[in-house]
Amino acid sequence: DIQMTQSPSSLSASVGDRVTITCRASQGISNYLAWYQQKPGKVPKLLIYAASTLQSGVPSRFSGSGSGTDFTLTISSLQPEDVATYYCQKYNSALQAFGQGTRLEIK
Amino acid sequence: QLQLQESGPGLVKPSETLSLTCTVSGGSISSSSYYWGWIRQPPGKGLEWIGSIYYSGSTYYNPSLKSRVTISVDTSKNQFSLKLSSVTAADTAVYYCARHSPTDIVATEWGQGTLVTVSS
Repeated sequence: DIQMTQSPSSLSASVGDRVTITCRASQGISNYLAWYQQKPGKVPKLLIYAASTLQSGVPSRFSGSGSGTDFTLTISSLQPEDVATYYCQKYNSALQAFGQGTRLEIK
Repeated sequence: QLQLQESGPGLVKPSETLSLTCTVSGGSISSSSYYWGWIRQPPGKGLEWIGSIYYSGSTYYNPSLKSRVTISVDTSKNQFSLKLSSVTAADTAVYYCARHSPTDIVATEWGQGTLVTVSS
């Protein structure tokens, strides 16, 4: 089974900061990687799929990159409404798995 | 606009079978090449993919749950269902149903989630 590992588990940053979250797959998954945002008490929301394709309606400050085993989610300028937990998800071969999540807070 | 709504018992006894249904409105469950799936989240913890069913009926399950999970579709009712057998307290979670896009199997629409507690 392919395992997904995110780092860090939590981070605190200031408004306007550039924030990067990393996701590593235990085996290569090409670009079958998505990122979700879950705000406290809310349903998860798809941000990015195919490693770097922004879902419709998602602000352009969010971006994704990577291929194979190493992926990143970047927020170019952190906003207060970005406080949330972020999850990566792999979906190759129709089998899915989530990373453990990264909790993002405002400093 | 597509909407998904989970329903089922909020309390299940240990060793019994958890059964949930997801009712789809605003679109036909059998009309397009979508995947329909279940994801859960234990209180205070992360997301766990349970499994998915393709509109044709093919199923895909999390290997760690595969022996206990069954996902099925009832096109006449525009619903799909989850059965999880031999539950324990570790199966206590918010259970979400979701629609996955046909090309990239990512959850684009979600239900609101339903909390299922396993307790005697």
